[in-house]
Amino acid sequence: EAGVTQFPSHSVIEKGQTVTLRCDPISGHDNLYWYRRVMGKEIKFLLHFVKESKQDESGMPNNRFLAERTGGTYSTLKVQPAELEDSGVYFCASSQGWANSPLHFGNGTRLTVT
Amino acid sequence: GDSVTQMEGPVTLSEEAFLTINCTYTATGYPSLFWYVQYPGEGLQLLLKATKADDKGSNKGFEATYRKETTSFHLEKGSVQVSDSAVYFCALSDLTGGYQKVTFGTGTKLQVIP
Repeated sequence: EAGVTQFPSHSVIEKGQTVTLRCDPISGHDNLYWYRRVMGKEIKFLLHFVKESKQDESGMPNNRFLAERTGGTYSTLKVQPAELEDSGVYFCASSQGWANSPLHFGNGTRLTVT
Repeated sequence: GDSVTQMEGPVTLSEEAFLTINCTYTATGYPSLFWYVQYPGEGLQLLLKATKADDKGSNKGFEATYRKETTSFHLEKGSVQVSDSAVYFCALSDLTGGYQKVTFGTGTKLQVIP
């Protein structure tokens, strides 16, 4: 089966610009997660979708971040306007619908805000 | 809330040396424990897991034992290879509202030199 795919793999933007990250989960996976790793720190949870609904968005840093999952398939994470501290690697993961099903991660998008 | 603490890196070892990366956790529930690995240029991959006390997870020569009494899940390998150079993340998964939430440590970079 195809894995979780994310694009772009890298993005370099200037402060104040907008960036949209995309994640395509494994087909049939109801759960979709976004995580972020700022340089040298832990991988932090951002939010969790179950199908098209936001189950938990307690990790979203502020209202400059907007995540959507149209039709319960792919998801986008938009940062608008981007700030320097938003730089990091954004990971997407998906899992099947049952509790404790393993998470499958994408390769991540490395975002650099200059 | 849940948290994971792992030893800071980087860790530099010679090939065939013994590896230990310490990991301790705090959790309100009864979590599952994981080690993920990120090889250069790749995404996060599940290395091994343990779902209950005294379980031992193992894969690719790596092992970790779920120690409830010491809340630890230390990663070990008897003889490391250059190809093991990567960043290793300890993580726990707890059920929150019926859905699993994964909490990661900061990651430990391992460099194995020939």
